[in-house]
Amino acid sequence: GEDVEQSLFLSVREGDSSVINCTYTDSSSTYLYWYKQEPGAGLQLLTYIFSNMDMKQDQRLTVLLNKKDKHLSLRIADTQTGDSAIYFCAVQRRAGTALIFGKGTTLSVSS
Amino acid sequence: GAGVSQSPSNKVTEKGKDVELRCDPISGHTALYWYRQSLGQGLEFLIYFQGNSAPDKSGLPSDRFSAERTGGSVSTLTIQRTQQEDSAVYLCASSLADSTNNYGYTFGSGTRLTVV
Repeated sequence: GEDVEQSLFLSVREGDSSVINCTYTDSSSTYLYWYKQEPGAGLQLLTYIFSNMDMKQDQRLTVLLNKKDKHLSLRIADTQTGDSAIYFCAVQRRAGTALIFGKGTTLSVSS
Repeated sequence: GAGVSQSPSNKVTEKGKDVELRCDPISGHTALYWYRQSLGQGLEFLIYFQGNSAPDKSGLPSDRFSAERTGGSVSTLTIQRTQQEDSAVYLCASSLADSTNNYGYTFGSGTRLTVV
């Protein structure tokens, strides 16, 4: 079945850039998402990209999609301590269907 | 309401008991999803409701799990004869999405279920 893989941990220093990587198996994935989960909270949609795009930038966030390699990345510029959270990659085959999530990457930002 | 509301926020139950978890989606959202988040396991899809269509139950792990959505709004996830491996955070999400129009999910804060 569909599989989404992420590295489990990333540690960076405040002010550095963070890059969180994700690979997926379903080449039919049309919508690709990044969600953020802070302790004790639900998931918050950060950004998304369509499969016909290579890149999307939204303030400090840059999403890169390599469709050939089925690789998605999230870059956070000027990482802050408030960015410490779990980041989930998710893919979706078509509108309205279930999102398939990775296990999440825990980002730890030290000052 | 303004967001997706789940209740209770925490539930401790004895092994073998039945539990019901409730989700109030955002008003007007036709799609509703249940996920389970176990420690170190990410989010596991359980079930998906879309309007009046038959639900997609393909993610339910066993026949002890069932869900209903009454009147196209509130949903209840029922776990019968709970087992310790059912301990997890159960997340509900709703969306305006349908088969032709895609919108993001809004997640609730979840119900933390502990089976002792």
